[in-house]
Amino acid sequence: GENVEQHPSTLSVQEGDSAVIKCTYSDSASNYFPWYKQELGKRPQLIIDIRSNVGEKKDQRIAVTLNKTAKHFSLHITETQPEDSAVYFCAASEGNNRLAFGKGNQVVVIP
Amino acid sequence: NAGVTQTPKFRILKIGQSMTLQCTQDMNHNYMYWYRQDPGMGLKLIYYSVGAGITDKGEVPNGYNVSRSTTEDFPLRLELAAPSQTSVYFCAAQGWGYGYTFGSGTRLTVV
Repeated sequence: GENVEQHPSTLSVQEGDSAVIKCTYSDSASNYFPWYKQELGKRPQLIIDIRSNVGEKKDQRIAVTLNKTAKHFSLHITETQPEDSAVYFCAASEGNNRLAFGKGNQVVVIP
Repeated sequence: NAGVTQTPKFRILKIGQSMTLQCTQDMNHNYMYWYRQDPGMGLKLIYYSVGAGITDKGEVPNGYNVSRSTTEDFPLRLELAAPSQTSVYFCAAQGWGYGYTFGSGTRLTVV
């Protein structure tokens, strides 16, 4: 099955700086890559996603890039704010419509 | 449009007791999932369903059971609760080719 890995496990950034989280996947047939944000004590929520026919997608301060050749995709957060502090999960689609999740990255924005 | 609704939000069980975690969705999605999330950890798949009347095991099914008699409902049954089942449980629903919508979770403590 699909294997998704996230790096780094914890990322600390100064408020206003950018944060980048990278995920790698193993199955070249994966074609859908969502990112979820989970604030402390809350549910994971979809914040952005990308499909394999697109290389980059932006939504205000967040963007996702996809490199199919290298089998990795990254979440970019610009002008970080304290409310960006959370755990971020990446995922990749499997052939049975399920998602394989990474283990999550803790992002800490230091005011 | 409530999305995915889980009840109860919190529960304390004694060892050996049983309970059912309820999950209902109003998005008419065929795919539904149960995950558990231990503190500081990622999501582990317990059971999933690809439609009414069809269920299958995930990676950690022991001690749990599910049923899917309707598209809307996907209850998770815990029999003979054990301390190892202390966790936060998330239900999710998914349309074909899209991300998951998670419920708000049930925080279960077994004492």
